[in-house]
Amino acid sequence: GENVEQHPSTLSVQEGDSAVIKCTYSDSASNYFPWYKQELGKGPQLIIDIRSNVGEKKDQRIAVTLNKTAKHFSLHITETQPEDSAVYFCAAESNDYKLSFGAGTTVTVRA
Amino acid sequence: NAGVTQTPKFQVLKTGQSMTLQCAQDMNHNSMYWYRQDPGMGLRLIYYSASEGTTDKGEVPNGYNVSRLNKREFSLRLESAAPSQTSVYFCASSQSNEQFFGPGTRLTVL
Repeated sequence: GENVEQHPSTLSVQEGDSAVIKCTYSDSASNYFPWYKQELGKGPQLIIDIRSNVGEKKDQRIAVTLNKTAKHFSLHITETQPEDSAVYFCAAESNDYKLSFGAGTTVTVRA
Repeated sequence: NAGVTQTPKFQVLKTGQSMTLQCAQDMNHNSMYWYRQDPGMGLRLIYYSASEGTTDKGEVPNGYNVSRLNKREFSLRLESAAPSQTSVYFCASSQSNEQFFGPGTRLTVL
């Protein structure tokens, strides 16, 4: 099955700086890669996703890049704000809409 | 729209007790999922249902059973709870790729 590894497990950044989270996956057949944000006491919520036919996708301050050859993808948050503090999960879809998740990254934005 | 709802929000059980976690969605999605979330391990799929009337095992199905009662509802049952099942349980639904998650049930088994 699919194996997704995520780094780092914790990330502390100064407000206004950028944050980068990296994930690798094992199944070369995976073709959908979402990122979820989970705030304290809530369920995960999709913030951005990318498909295998695209190398990069942006949505305001967040962007995701995908390197299918190397089987890794990354989340970039620019101009971080206190409300960006949360746990972020990457995932890869192997088949039948089943997602395999990374272990999560706890992001803390320092004011 | 309420999206995905889960009951209860919190539950404490003794070892060997049984309980059912309820999940409902009002988005007319075909697929529904049950995950457990443990510290440092992300979300792991317990069971999923690709459509009404079908269920399949995920990564960690042992100790659990599910019922897809109708298109809206997907329940998770613990027949004989064990301390290793202490976790936060999330239900999700999807129509295509994007999964929508409920608020979770925090379960403690003593």
